[in-house]
Amino acid sequence: DARVTQTPRHKVTEMGQEVTMRCQPILGHNTVFWYRQTMMQGLELLAYFRNRAPLDDSGMPKDRFSAEMPDATLATLKIQPSEPRDSAVYFCASGFDISEQFFGPGTRLTVL
Amino acid sequence: KNEVEQSPQNLTAQEGEFITINCSYSVGISALHWLQQHPGGGIVSLFMLSSGKKKHGRLIATINIQEKHSSLHITASHPRDSAVYICAVDWNNDMRFGAGTRLTVKP
Repeated sequence: DARVTQTPRHKVTEMGQEVTMRCQPILGHNTVFWYRQTMMQGLELLAYFRNRAPLDDSGMPKDRFSAEMPDATLATLKIQPSEPRDSAVYFCASGFDISEQFFGPGTRLTVL
Repeated sequence: KNEVEQSPQNLTAQEGEFITINCSYSVGISALHWLQQHPGGGIVSLFMLSSGKKKHGRLIATINIQEKHSSLHITASHPRDSAVYICAVDWNNDMRFGAGTRLTVKP
């Protein structure tokens, strides 16, 4: 049963620390998405990649966030330095094109 | 103003009832998605629509591009359908999300 995996599932850190979240897309999928969900803002698209190339990251605060796909089996989302307002659930999804998406279980980030 | 508006915000139904959730949007889109978020937080993509109607089991999704409106229907609702249903639109290489409709189906 193929599924998207995300690690860690939970992360508590202090303000100013670097946070790295990882996503393993479903084998063979060529598109990877990063989303953030908060109570106040709901779901937001942060960035997405197709064939490992970033297609859009306009939703991402560039000064502290970075997203990469070092290879087809790994996508990373990094926050440096982290701030309390970054506390959210971060979802990764993979699929073919923007039409079909399979979501990972999410990483719940708390920045104190 | 949010580009995507959903109604109702909350909906409580009795098992077996027919459910309709509405989504209106204000921008030109290439596609519309319906997502289901379970109480545990997991998200499932239910449908992607660019025109017409799609059906999967007890779920039916329709879209009217001219009226910028989509509906998600659930026939013979069941307590396991209790979840938050989120409408999202593909717009200008980006996605915009509705605030979600929280559905509770009572046995």
